Amino acid sequence: KAGVTQTPRYLIKTRGQQVTLSCSPISGHRSVSWYQQTPGQGLQFLFEYFSETQRNKGNFPGRFSGRQFSNSRSEMNVSTLELGDSALYLCASSEGDGADTQYFGPGTRLTVL
Amino acid sequence: GIQVEQSPPDLILQEGANSTLRCNFSDSVNNLQWFHQNPWGQLINLFYIPSGTKQNGRLSATTVATERYSLLYISSSQTTDSGVYFCAVDWETSGSRLTFGEGTQLTVNP
Repeated sequence: KAGVTQTPRYLIKTRGQQVTLSCSPISGHRSVSWYQQTPGQGLQFLFEYFSETQRNKGNFPGRFSGRQFSNSRSEMNVSTLELGDSALYLCASSEGDGADTQYFGPGTRLTVL
Repeated sequence: GIQVEQSPPDLILQEGANSTLRCNFSDSVNNLQWFHQNPWGQLINLFYIPSGTKQNGRLSATTVATERYSLLYISSSQTTDSGVYFCAVDWETSGSRLTFGEGTQLTVNP
């Protein structure tokens, strides 16, 4: 099976803009989770989607949002970008049956200028 | 929320040496995974190990859930083992929400 894919891999934006990142899970996986990695805060959970519904949410402001489509592909959107949003954004997929193995994609590296 | 502590934060080894990385967590978990982050940032699954012992080649892991810790053993280390090793746990009863430790930066010198 193909692994988790994320697009784009690199992105440069300016403050105030918005950005949309995409994640395609492993075939058959119904859960998609998003994480932000920064040098200062480490790896932090953003949210999880399962069957097109947000099932869990981390402690991020409302500028961070996501959605999941019927084919399990997911997008996350960040509006009104701030310099502090510069980070590696990682997507993970799993079968979604609860405590199961999470498989991560290669990430999208976002730089906000 | 749950706390995850990894030790040591940094580890420098000579090729061929063995090492043990530790992960302590503050509450009961239903998932524990070890990852290796490659230089390009991707998290590579090493083990899914909420309890018990597993081995994969030169790597093995043990989780003692009742005592809330997990160990990752690397034997006969190679330069390609260098990178950051993360422990992540999940305590959610519905869905998933991994909480990561701060990682162990491993450097293996030739």
